[in-house]
Amino acid sequence: KAGVTQTPRYLIKTRGQQVTLSCSPISGHRSVSWYQQTPGQGLQFLFEYFSETQRNKGNFPGRFSGRQFSNSRSEMNVSTLELGDSALYLCASSLVSAYNEQFFGPGTRLTVL
Amino acid sequence: AQSVTQLDSQVPVFEEAPVELRCNYSSSVSVYLFWYVQYPNQGLQLLLKYLSGSTLVKGINGFEAEFNKSQTSFHLRKPSVHISDTAEYFCAVSGWGRDSYDKVIFGPGTSLSVIP
Repeated sequence: KAGVTQTPRYLIKTRGQQVTLSCSPISGHRSVSWYQQTPGQGLQFLFEYFSETQRNKGNFPGRFSGRQFSNSRSEMNVSTLELGDSALYLCASSLVSAYNEQFFGPGTRLTVL
Repeated sequence: AQSVTQLDSQVPVFEEAPVELRCNYSSSVSVYLFWYVQYPNQGLQLLLKYLSGSTLVKGINGFEAEFNKSQTSFHLRKPSVHISDTAEYFCAVSGWGRDSYDKVIFGPGTSLSVIP
């Protein structure tokens, strides 16, 4: 069974631009969560989607948004990029909810210049 | 709301020595507890989890953890570490109360360095 895939693996953007990251969960998994990982703040929960609906949301500004498609694939979008958005963005999938085992992708490394 | 504290940001230990990585949590609701490991340039991998039942949980790679409700702790232990255990370890909690369904909160992480 293929693992969680994230594309692209690396991104370089400039301030003010927007970016879209993609996540393909493990087949059959319906819950997809997104996390931001930085050296200073650690792992922070962004949001969780289940059956195309956002079920949980972390404390991030509205510039961070996401969606989930009918095949459970998910995208997250960051608009008006700031230098502080530079981070590793991790996607995790689980069967039904995050208290099942979460399977993480390798992440997308976003650098904002 | 839940929170997780990992008291040690870095733990150096000699190869074949025992190790304990400490984790404390706070929550107003019942919790599920997890330990994840992150190897360099990789995503996280589940080591073990506590949902209910026996408070001693065994995981992969010889790790185990004990849930202590009175002390709100979930410390991770391994009796003999190997070089390949060098990684970042994250404790996480998920509450299942009214306002905290399924949100998983991670601790700041503990960097375990195994010294040959």
